[in-house]
Amino acid sequence: KQEVTQIPAALSVPEGENLVLNCSFTDSAIYNLQWFRQDPGKGLTSLLLIQSSQREQTSGRLNASLDKSSGRSTLYIAASQPGDSATYLCAVSPNAGGTSYGKLTFGQGTILTVHP
Amino acid sequence: GAGVSQSPSNKVTEKGKDVELRCDPISGHTALYWYRQRLGQGLEFLIYFQGNSAPDKSGLPSDRFSAERTGESVSTLTIQRTQQEDSAVYLCASSARRWQGRETQYFGPGTRLLVL
Repeated sequence: KQEVTQIPAALSVPEGENLVLNCSFTDSAIYNLQWFRQDPGKGLTSLLLIQSSQREQTSGRLNASLDKSSGRSTLYIAASQPGDSATYLCAVSPNAGGTSYGKLTFGQGTILTVHP
Repeated sequence: GAGVSQSPSNKVTEKGKDVELRCDPISGHTALYWYRQRLGQGLEFLIYFQGNSAPDKSGLPSDRFSAERTGESVSTLTIQRTQQEDSAVYLCASSARRWQGRETQYFGPGTRLLVL
């Protein structure tokens, strides 16, 4: 059974810092890995999706890397801002064939607080 | 266009009652997913609809849970004889089929269910 772990569980940083969120998964047979942001009352927003054949994806101040063989991904946030405060979730989809790739397994998230 | 919408946003019910949760996916999205997020826990996959294929119900926790979807539109998640452990945020997501694992799931704001 796939298990996804995120470290740290919570992180508080001053504005402007660069930071790294970590995600690890136990089964390397994944189809893709996604990073989401969760804001209270607003559901989840997809930030980055890395296919299993890729090593990293970048969007603005965000960069996500994937090392499938070691079961790890990191989300790097550059020059953090108070508006980045949210819960960040990592999720993997299984490479089990058919339509099962849509069944995401989530980590419990990292609660990020960026203070001015 | 409009995103994924869910109703009601909040639902309080008494133990033993049945509840219905509704999800309106993004127009044109063929895949629809239900997840559950209990307090302090990660998101759990419940059920997955893909076009006209038989749904993947492997995540439903008991036979008290069922879901339907009419074609590629609205879905309802029904919980019969609710229990206190059913209290959670129920999230719906939809996605358009993509090639090579570029599928991104778009999430609704969730329905917060409290069973007294």
